Amino acid sequence: QSVLTQPPSVSGAPGQRVTISCTGSRSNIGAGYDVHWYQQLPGTAPKLLIYGNRKRPSGVPDRFSGSKSGTSVSLAITGLQAEDEADYYCQSYDSSLSGSVFGTGTKVTVL
Amino acid sequence: QITLKESGPTLVKPTQTLTLTCTFSGFSLSTSGVGVGWIRQPPGKALEWLALIYWDDDKRYSPFLKSRLTITKDTSKNQVVLTMTNMDPVDTATYYCGHSGLAFYGMDVWGQGTTVTVSS
Repeated sequence: QSVLTQPPSVSGAPGQRVTISCTGSRSNIGAGYDVHWYQQLPGTAPKLLIYGNRKRPSGVPDRFSGSKSGTSVSLAITGLQAEDEADYYCQSYDSSLSGSVFGTGTKVTVL
Repeated sequence: QITLKESGPTLVKPTQTLTLTCTFSGFSLSTSGVGVGWIRQPPGKALEWLALIYWDDDKRYSPFLKSRLTITKDTSKNQVVLTMTNMDPVDTATYYCGHSGLAFYGMDVWGQGTTVTVSS
C-alpha cells in the first residue's frame, strides 16, 4: 500500500554520514506536501525526527537533517553514532488517496 | 507535557469489532489546529496510517480501511476512540495514537502503543 519508497537498509561506520531517500510521486511529495521523518528504536514507539521537510523538533540533534528535491526527500545523519541504529520512516500526504502515507522504512545499521 | 496512552483488548476474534481508546493529557482537543491520529504496525512491518480527527471534528481515514474505521472524540474526557469492524488476523498489530499539532498530518508525540492479536 505504501506509495513512498525507501531503501530497506543503509549502514555506516561511527562518525560517517549516511543518507536515506524517500521517493514519491506527483500526488504526494511532488505536489508540495510536507514530509516528516520518524526514528523508531528497537521495541519502542516512533519519534518525530524531522517535520515540514527540514525542521527539527526541540531536542533533536542537528546531526539529523532533511532535504527535498522534486519528488524525493532525504534524511541525512552526520557523525553516525551507535544510538542511531534504528528504523526510519518518511511520511507525507497523498492527494490521490486523500490520506497520509508512510514510507516502506529503512533500517540503519552502525558497523 | 503531552502524553498519550492507548488502551483496549489484547485479543479479538475474527469478525469482531475492535474498540481502542486513546487517553491523553497536556493538551486540549478543542484547541484550533490540534488533532489526534491512529497508526498501526504489524509485527516486523512498516507503519500504516489509519485515521485522524481534528479539533473541529474533521475526520480523515485511510482509503484502504475507510469502510471499517470510525474515529470519535470526547473532549471532556480527553479521549479519542477508534473502532475497526470485521477484524481479521492480518489486522494483528501494535496500534499507536499520536498528537498532531506541529505539522500537516505529522505525529509529534506518540503513545507507547498497544498490541492487538486477532485469533480464534
